[in-house]
Amino acid sequence: DFVMTQSPDSLAVSLGERATISCKSSQSVLSSSNNKNYLAWYQQKPGQPPKLLIYWASTRESGVPDRFSGSGSGTDFTLTISSLQAEDVAVYYCQEYYDTSYTFGQGTKVEIK
Amino acid sequence: EVQLVESGGNLVQPGGSLRLSCAASGFTFNSHWMHWFRQAPGKGLLWISRISTDGKTTGYADSVMGRFSISRDNAKNTLYLQMTSLRAEDTAIYYCARDRTTVTLFDYWGQGTLVTVSS
Repeated sequence: DFVMTQSPDSLAVSLGERATISCKSSQSVLSSSNNKNYLAWYQQKPGQPPKLLIYWASTRESGVPDRFSGSGSGTDFTLTISSLQAEDVAVYYCQEYYDTSYTFGQGTKVEIK
Repeated sequence: EVQLVESGGNLVQPGGSLRLSCAASGFTFNSHWMHWFRQAPGKGLLWISRISTDGKTTGYADSVMGRFSISRDNAKNTLYLQMTSLRAEDTAIYYCARDRTTVTLFDYWGQGTLVTVSS
C-alpha cells in the first residue's frame, strides 16, 4: 500500500510570499508505460469539498490560477503557491492515482502570517 | 453546470444501516465512473468505493469491504452507498465524486453528507 507523507503539517506565510508544500510517496508513482507521474494536488477550503488543482504532478486543472504550480517525479513532489493570496487559505492534499487505493497525504494547512 | 448532491446522512446507532444517495446533473452520468470518499471530523480524506459506468465493476477500501455496497441507477442519474454494520469509526462526512474516466481523477465533488454513528 502507498503511504503519502506531506510536510509540513501546517505553515503560515505572509500575503504575497511563496508557500511550498512537500509530498513524499512510499513508492514511485511514475509509470514506465507513459512516463507520467500519477500524482494530484487538491485544495480544501473550510466547510467545502476538495477541489482538484493539479494532476500528472504538474498540469494545472482548468481555471486554476497560475500562481499554483506542481513539480517533482517518482516519489518526491512539491506544490508551490508563488504569491499567497487570502483566498488560498486552505488545507492542501497530495494524492496518488497510480493504484486503486487512491491514497491521500495527511494534508497541509496553509494560513496567513 | 456539473452538480453532485448527496443526501441520506443521519445519526445512527452502532450496528445500524444507512443508505446515502448522490444525485448527479449537468453531465452524462452513465459515461463516468463514480466514487465515494469520507472525511472524519478534523481528519484527512479517505477513498471508500468506486463503480464503473454500467455498475458491473465495483471496488472497496479494506475498511468497508463486506459492510458497504455501492450501486447506481443510470436512469435516475443517482449514485448510492448502502452502509451496514456501522461503527463509531464510520462517523464522517461522505462525499461522492465524479471520475474524469479518461484518467482516474476526481474532478467534481458534492458538498457531502454527515453520518454520525453513536448510541
